[in-house]
Amino acid sequence: AQKITQTQPGMFVQEKEAVTLDCTYDTSDQSYGLFWYKQPSSGEMIFLIYQGSYDEQNATEGRYSLNFQKARKSANLVISASQLGDSAMYFCAMREGSSGTYKYIFGTGTRLKVLA
Amino acid sequence: DSGVTQTPKHLITATGQRVTLRCSPRSGDLSVYWYQQSLDQGLQFLIQYYNGEERAKGNILERFSAQQFPDLHSELNLSSLELGDSALYFCASSEAGLSAEQYFGPGTRLTVT
Repeated sequence: AQKITQTQPGMFVQEKEAVTLDCTYDTSDQSYGLFWYKQPSSGEMIFLIYQGSYDEQNATEGRYSLNFQKARKSANLVISASQLGDSAMYFCAMREGSSGTYKYIFGTGTRLKVLA
Repeated sequence: DSGVTQTPKHLITATGQRVTLRCSPRSGDLSVYWYQQSLDQGLQFLIQYYNGEERAKGNILERFSAQQFPDLHSELNLSSLELGDSALYFCASSEAGLSAEQYFGPGTRLTVT
């Protein structure tokens, strides 16, 4: 069954340091997409980064990078130079499907706290 | 601002009642998704519509139903409400394509008393 696992319920990181948030997934599909979203305390969901299953290069978006290891079925989010504003809940998600029919599965999230 | 709008922002109602949540997707997006987020939980995918057609179903209860109208706005109907239905309900929209990013609305906070 399709599944997303985030094993770190909470993480602390010192300001300006890098942090890795873990995500493993399980799917039998060959074609899928992996996403990371940020949810601050205000509640909105903010898209951070996307990795396609056929992408050979790891995705990067500013301070965010996705460490994609397909054989291990992992898609870890790396945040470099953490800022206080990075304190939030982070969700890993997988999208499967094709031709306009898609299902998303979200992990249970990791709550990140950046310390000054 | 994601371009996805949801109304109302907050809704308080009693058990047994029925409510309708409304979502307007980003201009040009044909896909609309509905999610439920209970307190301190991840997001549960409920249902997806694409250009007016139901395309994918997740963990949506039979008491819940949705539709997408010709102008592409969508409504989520929740009936016979129970205390456990209290949650944040998100709508998201996207273009077609597996890599297309989902844009989330601000959510509707439903409280069932």
